[in-house]
Amino acid sequence: DAGITQSPRHKVTETGTPVTLRCHQTENHRYMYWYRQDPGHGLRLIHYSYGVKDTDKGEVSDGYSVSRSKTEDFLLTLESATSSQTSVYFCAISRTGTVNTEAFFGQGTRLTVV
Amino acid sequence: DQQVKQNSPSLSVQEGRISILNCDYTNSMFDYFLWYKKYPAEGPTFLISISSIKDKNEDGRFTVFLNKSAKHLSLHIVPSQPGDSAVYFCAASAPGAQKLVFGQGTRLTINP
Repeated sequence: DAGITQSPRHKVTETGTPVTLRCHQTENHRYMYWYRQDPGHGLRLIHYSYGVKDTDKGEVSDGYSVSRSKTEDFLLTLESATSSQTSVYFCAISRTGTVNTEAFFGQGTRLTVV
Repeated sequence: DQQVKQNSPSLSVQEGRISILNCDYTNSMFDYFLWYKKYPAEGPTFLISISSIKDKNEDGRFTVFLNKSAKHLSLHIVPSQPGDSAVYFCAASAPGAQKLVFGQGTRLTINP
């Protein structure tokens, strides 16, 4: 357990509504990531952060935004949820200054857009 | 453009035998490779890694082999145990990239 908490763990929402997922860490690590897991695609990076207010896009960032106003919290927002965003979302942290070490993942949030 | 590929979606192995999971990559800049294991309803957990300066890394029953010329890595599990049944992801990173690129995953089933 790397001190990562994702909330909520499950959510069902309607198409067109905004949704925010939260990732909270207790270990004060600099790097935080949001991935989505889909069958046939594995884990794909949505956005990542390398410090407070410092974020960058991953490979599937369209339709998503992030914010990091505190070291411990990394929020992922679906601005207007679509059915293609039904997925399992994982937050991860990297314990050192680079990713040349293992990243640790949260338990995941299962999001269903109906 | 899938930079990291796991071409076998599933693999079934008898308990006690060797499990071999394969991964190919296309980006020659990748210099660090990792394997993760994932059980249902849990997050992925780190298993083993290898730097591009090595061609083999062992940790107990798990060994990762790296063939840079072929852009190929493999994970060997010997002997396979029922608790090894899970989805396995390989991942890679390039210098300074600050992020991991994952493959599609392989579901390993160990049969008693």
